[in-house]
Amino acid sequence: EDQVTQSPEALRLQEGESSSLNCSYTVSGLRGLFWYRQDPGKGPEFLFTLYSAGEEKEKERLKATLTKKESFLHITAPKPEDSATYLCAVQADNNAGNMLTFGGGTRLMVKP
Amino acid sequence: KAGVTQTPRYLIKTRGQQVTLSCSPISGHRSVSWYQQTPGQGLQFLFEYFSETQRNKGNFPGRFSGRQFSNSRSEMNVSTLELGDSALYLCASSWNLGVEQFFGPGTRLTVL
Repeated sequence: EDQVTQSPEALRLQEGESSSLNCSYTVSGLRGLFWYRQDPGKGPEFLFTLYSAGEEKEKERLKATLTKKESFLHITAPKPEDSATYLCAVQADNNAGNMLTFGGGTRLMVKP
Repeated sequence: KAGVTQTPRYLIKTRGQQVTLSCSPISGHRSVSWYQQTPGQGLQFLFEYFSETQRNKGNFPGRFSGRQFSNSRSEMNVSTLELGDSALYLCASSWNLGVEQFFGPGTRLTVL
């Protein structure tokens, strides 16, 4: 059974204080790992897709990396508007469709 | 390009009733997935449709069902509602396997 564990559950940062969010996964074969951002009361917003170990993707203050067992979302010099819940999800390659298995999320709060 | 739309946005029902939720995917997307999000269980996969065929089904009772129409619009139905069905129901669309899925704003269902 595919499993995704995110840590920490909650993270409080000062504006400008860089940090990393962790996503550990267990899957028979990885088709893709996805990062999403979710604001309260809204649907998840797509951030990145990673397909193979060693792959990295960047967008503004965010950088996602992937190894064979985990992914990290690095946040550089965060701003209050980066406050949200960050979700990690995996898709197995033995899956006939697009089913995603999600982790519990990391709730990030950035104080000015 | 318009995003994924879901109707209605909010719904209040009583136990034993049934409910139908609607999702219109991004134009050109033929894969539509449904997820249930609750504070205790997080995001859980319900089912996925591609070209009017169900490709995957999550571990939910038969009271949860869905369908997809020839224009890719999808509906999900929950019969004999229970208090535990109160949740945010999210729909996501994608143009292919293994690529990013885009989520709608969700339907907030409250069962009294």
